[in-house]
Order: sequence, then structure tokens, then C-alpha cells
Amino acid sequence: DIVMTQSPDSLAVSLGERATINCKSSQSILYSSNNKNYLAWYQQRPGQPPKLLIYWASTRESGVPDRFSGSGSGTDFTLTISSLQAEDVAVYYCQQYYNIPFTFGPGTKVDIK
Amino acid sequence: EVQLVQSGTEVKKPGESLKISCKGSGYSFSNYWIGWVRQMPGKGLEWMGIIYPGDSDTRYSPSFQGQVTISADKSINSAYLQWSSLKASDTAMYYCARQWSDSSGSFYFDYWGQGTLVTVPS
Repeated sequence: DIVMTQSPDSLAVSLGERATINCKSSQSILYSSNNKNYLAWYQQRPGQPPKLLIYWASTRESGVPDRFSGSGSGTDFTLTISSLQAEDVAVYYCQQYYNIPFTFGPGTKVDIK
Repeated sequence: EVQLVQSGTEVKKPGESLKISCKGSGYSFSNYWIGWVRQMPGKGLEWMGIIYPGDSDTRYSPSFQGQVTISADKSINSAYLQWSSLKASDTAMYYCARQWSDSSGSFYFDYWGQGTLVTVPS
């Protein structure tokens, strides 16, 4: 299985400040034939199901605010929230869909400082 | 509008069997893989397996192979997750989700159900 790790486990950021979450895969999830990274990011607010934010490592899902952005390639990826809003308090998960099982990272909890 | 509606909360005894459901609407149910994800209390997301309702092709995570059965009935746009003998450690929220697909493969989960809470008191 591809193992996904995330850092930090949690972070607290002031409203309007930047939050950065890192995700690392145990092997490359860049598919050479199409040059796409098989990585998604999800947001899970308290008491809610997860919600897709980013796919192909950097493509924002329709309706997701542009303060959310994804970057990275190969084995190292980043989710950035450029200006944290109160509604962004949640746990964020990365997921690889390169190989079955499509494993998730352990999650990063984002709170307001 | 794509929707996945899951069956309601279950409280069962150890050793009992259970089948929970996920009904899709607003899209061609047969043509998209449906997955199941476990979330134990206070923990992260675990990918359990997926099924293609069109032909019932099923893939399991090794962690869940033999522990659960995933099935589907395309005639009623429904997918299922079942246990033959529940354990206390099966206590969790279970989500179904649609896996976005195109001609080249099947990828991320783009729509999620609301979750089904399964409680198996020890």
C-alpha cells in the first residue's frame, strides 16, 4: 500500500493568515503517461462528511473558494489556505488514487488562533 | 443534482449481521464506481473498497478483505456494505462516496453520502 503522511498534525492560525498543510506519499504518485499527480484534498468540518476541495494535486473543485490551492508533484504536496476564514475550521485529508487501496493521510486539524 | 443517501443509524449486538445501504440519484448510477470509507470515533478516513454497479466488479483494501462484503443492485441504484458477524471494533461512521471516472480510469471521491453510524456495544 502507498502510505500517506501529513504534517503538522494540527495548527492554529489567526483569521486572515495563511495555513499550510503538507502531505507526503511513500512512492511517487505522478503518472508519467499523462503527467498527472493522483492526489486529492478533502475538508471535513465537524459533524459533516468529507468534501472534495482539490484533485490532480492542484485543480480546485467547482465552488471551492480560490483561497484554497494545491501544489506539489511526485511525493510531496501542499494545501494552502491563503487567508483563513472561520468556516475553514476543519480536518483536512490528502488521498492518493494512484494505486488501490486509495489511501488517505491521517489528517491535519486546522483551528483559529 | 447528484445525491447519495445512506440508511440510518444502527445499534447492533456483537455477532449480529448487518447490511447498510447507499442510494444514488441524479446521475447514471451504473457508470460510476461507488466506494465505502470507514471513520472510527475520533479517527481519520480509511478506504475500504469500491464497486462498479454496472457489472459488480469489486475491489477491496487488504485491511477489509474478508471482513465486509460490498455489493450493488443497479436496478434500484443502490450499493451496500454488509457484515456477517459484527464486532465492537466495527463501531464507526461509514460513508459511501462516488468515485469520479472517465474513459481512462476511476479517481477521487467527488460526492459523499451523509454517513451511517454503526454502533456495536461491547
